[in-house]
Amino acid sequence: AQSVTQLGSHVSVSEGALVLLRCNYSSSVPPYLFWYVQYPNQGLQLLLKYTSAATLVKGINGFEAEFKKSETSFHLTKPSAHMSDAAEYFCAVSDGGKLIFGQGTELSVKP
Amino acid sequence: EAGVTQFPSHSVIEKGQTVTLRCDPISGHDNLYWYRRVMGKEIKFLLHFVKESKQDESGMPNNRFLAERTGGTYSTLKVQPAELEDSGVYFCASSPWTGGNEQFFGPGTRLTVL
Repeated sequence: AQSVTQLGSHVSVSEGALVLLRCNYSSSVPPYLFWYVQYPNQGLQLLLKYTSAATLVKGINGFEAEFKKSETSFHLTKPSAHMSDAAEYFCAVSDGGKLIFGQGTELSVKP
Repeated sequence: EAGVTQFPSHSVIEKGQTVTLRCDPISGHDNLYWYRRVMGKEIKFLLHFVKESKQDESGMPNNRFLAERTGGTYSTLKVQPAELEDSGVYFCASSPWTGGNEQFFGPGTRLTVL
């Protein structure tokens, strides 16, 4: 069965610093992987997705993620954090259509 | 184009009462999904409709939960009778594609059972 593990339920960075949110997956087939973001009082919004094309995937708001099969990882990065990036981030893998989510990582950005 | 909408945004009920949550998917999306996030836990799949048919209801916790999708348009999720452990945020998502493709999420309904 597919599964997702997000390392760190809470990450805090300074404004302008690198953002790195970790996600490891388990999948018996080539996975479809997603990062979603939830801003306060809003629904989940797709940041980016991996669907077996390029291993480096660029998303919205300057985020990107790299699919590494050997490490079963799909970590999310952004070179320079902005205050508006403060939100909760979810990594997910598709399992026959339904999504299997990680536990979520809350990102705080300090001025 | 309107996104996925959910009603109500919040609901507070007492144990034993009945609550009905509604989801209106994006127009033309045949696939509709329900998920739930209990506080402190991950978002978990409940069920998947394709048009009006239940494709996968493996995540429904028990028979107190009943989901319907009338005419393949909006969907309702009824909890009867509600228990304390049903508290959480219920998300609805829709998609025009099946399989491993993105889903468009609504803002969620926060259910509190006292």
